[in-house]
Amino acid sequence: IAGITQAPTSQILAAGRRMTLRCTQDMRHNAMYWYRQDLGLGLRLIHYSNTAGTTGKGEVPDGYSVSRANTDDFPLTLASAVPSQTSVYFCASSDGDNTEAFFGQGTRLTVV
Amino acid sequence: GQNIDQPTEMTATEGAIVQINCTYQTSGFNGLFWYQQHAGEAPTFLSYNVLDGLEEKGRFSSFLSRSKGYSYLLLKELQMKDSASYLCAVKDSNYQLIWGAGTKLIIKP
Repeated sequence: IAGITQAPTSQILAAGRRMTLRCTQDMRHNAMYWYRQDLGLGLRLIHYSNTAGTTGKGEVPDGYSVSRANTDDFPLTLASAVPSQTSVYFCASSDGDNTEAFFGQGTRLTVV
Repeated sequence: GQNIDQPTEMTATEGAIVQINCTYQTSGFNGLFWYQQHAGEAPTFLSYNVLDGLEEKGRFSSFLSRSKGYSYLLLKELQMKDSASYLCAVKDSNYQLIWGAGTKLIIKP
């Protein structure tokens, strides 16, 4: 089934640890995005990639890094987790500027 | 700054009609999206407006007025499964999506 897959589904992480959230899509979409969603706030863009080999910073990039080595994969890394990074993380992809984004099922991350 | 405003929560009755409003102030406009998000799940696409007017898709319709920075999502013949959060998002001049905080819709029998 075509779509976008995130792993893990949930994770409890000790503060200071490094963590990579994985995201893979098989729709051959050029653009991919990482968002965090916190209660009472809208989805906030962390990083994005308009095409393989390029990445850009979103609204809340500090403490996060991404890479886009190929079209399908867009991992998000927390170099040294802090409790304020406790959130639900969504990966998304889209096929063009005026098309909808498709979302993965989310990763619920708790940093303690 | 960029801002998307929508009500935090609304309640409606099964079988009725509800209108969820969204106002926006963004740097540029390249389309407005509505998404549905059930609790604990990912957002899913509902509608897209780039020109003024009404777009109808089954029980759901979405309206846009660019001059007023305003949109609404209209849900007809409400069903219990429509209980969800409804997210309004605008693509700005850089084609980045700016999201509202979402409207939680509660459907009562």
